[in-house]
Amino acid sequence: DAGITQSPRHKVTETGTPVTLRCHQTENHRYMYWYRQDPGHGLRLIHYSYGVKDTDKGEVSDGYSVSRSKTEDFLLTLESATSSQTSVYFCAISDQGQGSQPQHFGDGTRLSIL
Amino acid sequence: RKEVEQDPGPFNVPEGATVAFNCTYSNSASQSFFWYRQDCRKEPKLLMSVYSSGNEDGRFTAQLNRASQYISLLIRDSKLSDSATYLCVVTFWGGYNKLIFGAGTRLAVHP
Repeated sequence: DAGITQSPRHKVTETGTPVTLRCHQTENHRYMYWYRQDPGHGLRLIHYSYGVKDTDKGEVSDGYSVSRSKTEDFLLTLESATSSQTSVYFCAISDQGQGSQPQHFGDGTRLSIL
Repeated sequence: RKEVEQDPGPFNVPEGATVAFNCTYSNSASQSFFWYRQDCRKEPKLLMSVYSSGNEDGRFTAQLNRASQYISLLIRDSKLSDSATYLCVVTFWGGYNKLIFGAGTRLAVHP
């Protein structure tokens, strides 16, 4: 399995609080991604990174920010958590950015916003 | 219309059965195609890539029809361990490796 670790694995927090999720990889892959998965929807991209300090928005980026200060770490921050952000969050990595390359996923973080 | 559509199922089949899933996609510029498998409360894992000429991996066969914009996955001799959700994934270059996921088709194999 690809060396991807997400932390925390589970978190319950209250509306309005900031939350940071961490993705750590040991594969030295250039590309990293954050997705959310909700019932009835496919995985939806929140933000991605194509290198250290190089990030861009995905399709559902509102309310989220990211940072990548090292190749191995990609952080996702919910600036002020809302109940609509209750979801399962997956980090993914890929060696190349081209569409022919699959992505490999971390175990996920289950986040509940009360 | 969703960019990638799948029948959510569930498909309930006995062990040993053959089952097929289809997936349609809307973007004709799509470049690459994959099937991922996701077990309950787990991460998606790559099952196989899908090539234009069709490809097989053991009991699994994937087909691509670019003209009709659909992808299929055939599972022969189903095992209990095949029970999972199967995600159809389509990619294209949109400034980055953009993966579009279907919502998944659930398969339940029973004894």
